[in-house]
Amino acid sequence: GAVVSQHPSWVICKSGTSVKIECRSLDFQATTMFWYRQFPKQSLMLMATSNEGSKATYEQGVEKDKFLINHASLTLSTLTVTSAHPEDSSFYICSARGGDNSPLHFGNGTRLTVT
Amino acid sequence: QKEVEQNSGPLSVPEGAIASLNCTYSDRGSQSFFWYRQYSGKSPELIMFIYSNGDKEDGRFTAQLNKASQYVSLLIRDSQPSDSATYLCAVISPGGSYIPTFGRGTSLIVHP
Repeated sequence: GAVVSQHPSWVICKSGTSVKIECRSLDFQATTMFWYRQFPKQSLMLMATSNEGSKATYEQGVEKDKFLINHASLTLSTLTVTSAHPEDSSFYICSARGGDNSPLHFGNGTRLTVT
Repeated sequence: QKEVEQNSGPLSVPEGAIASLNCTYSDRGSQSFFWYRQYSGKSPELIMFIYSNGDKEDGRFTAQLNKASQYVSLLIRDSQPSDSATYLCAVISPGGSYIPTFGRGTSLIVHP
């Protein structure tokens, strides 16, 4: 089956530092990748959609200068949380798919804690 | 606004019973339908996908799609305690720029 690898699985950083999260599709080419965040006991919240070689499309209310997304190849997308603050602490999950109507395959998520 | 509605539950069923999870969607032009399972603290995992009206079976899982009534359901036969999780319904439509719309999920509890 389709596998999406996400690293790191957890990270603790100090306020003001930046954190990069990687998302790789291991056995398929991901034309589109999605980044979500999820707070405890809440729904998935879509942050942005990225297509290979294009700028990411951010959802309303998501600061693109704070959450930098790069989708440099058909198998790799990265999310960088810049100048992280405690309120950025959350569960970040990437997903990828091979075509418009194809299923999304999720990475295992990254639990970010900002102290 | 594309909407996907699910009963938040919890839906509680005894071990061995059939669990029935339902999802309705607002966009009649929706083309693709997915069911995900999410355990607490974990990311969603794909269980089933269906594109055409009717039933699709995979092991203990059956997805049912009725486009005329705009609903999709997931049946879990012989439910096990390990099936206890939140089940997310997702829908893709061209009108939504092919961005999946997720329901808020139904919490399923299978008690021994």
